[in-house]
Amino acid sequence: DAGVIQSPRHEVTEMGQEVTLRCKPISGHNSLFWYRQTMMRGLELLIYFNNNVPIDDSGMPEDRFSAKMPNASFSTLKIQPSEPRDSAVYFCASHWGSVTDTQYFGPGTRLTVL
Amino acid sequence: AQSVTQPDIHITVSEGASLELRCNYSYGATPYLFWYVQSPGQGLQLLLKYFSGDTLVQGIKGFEAEFKRSQSSFNLRKPSVHWSDAAEYFCAVGAKEYGNKLVFGAGTILRVKS
Repeated sequence: DAGVIQSPRHEVTEMGQEVTLRCKPISGHNSLFWYRQTMMRGLELLIYFNNNVPIDDSGMPEDRFSAKMPNASFSTLKIQPSEPRDSAVYFCASHWGSVTDTQYFGPGTRLTVL
Repeated sequence: AQSVTQPDIHITVSEGASLELRCNYSYGATPYLFWYVQSPGQGLQLLLKYFSGDTLVQGIKGFEAEFKRSQSSFNLRKPSVHWSDAAEYFCAVGAKEYGNKLVFGAGTILRVKS
């Protein structure tokens, strides 16, 4: 299995631009998670989906952030408009089943907003 | 609210020495506990997890952890550290009452000196 796939791996953009991050979970997994990692705040859960339905988006920082999962094999995290404080590494993870199951992380997208 | 504390931001050990990374949690429900490792530029990988049974759990790469309910701790140990163990280690906690999501600690960066 190819594991969780994220694209792009690196993104540099200017403040005010729209940014879309993409994730392909492991085939057969039914839960997908988006995390943000920064030096100041560590690893934060932004949102998670179960069977393509958003279950908990309490970690989404503000309305500029949105996430979708149109089908079981694809999810996007969009930031519009982007701001310098959004600079971080964004991880996608997936698992099958319940909280006791292992979450498999993608390699992350390093976002830099100038 | 649930929280995870990793008291040590950085730890340096000599190659071949023993290692213990500390993790304390605050959780109202019965916790499920995890240790993940992150190598530079990569996503997180599960080392081990505990959700029931024997409180001493074995993981990959020679790591083990012990759940101590009375101390609200889940410390990670390795009897002999290798240079390749240099990475950042994250403790995480979840519970069925809170859905599928995990709360991660701030991480401990392990440096190994030869």
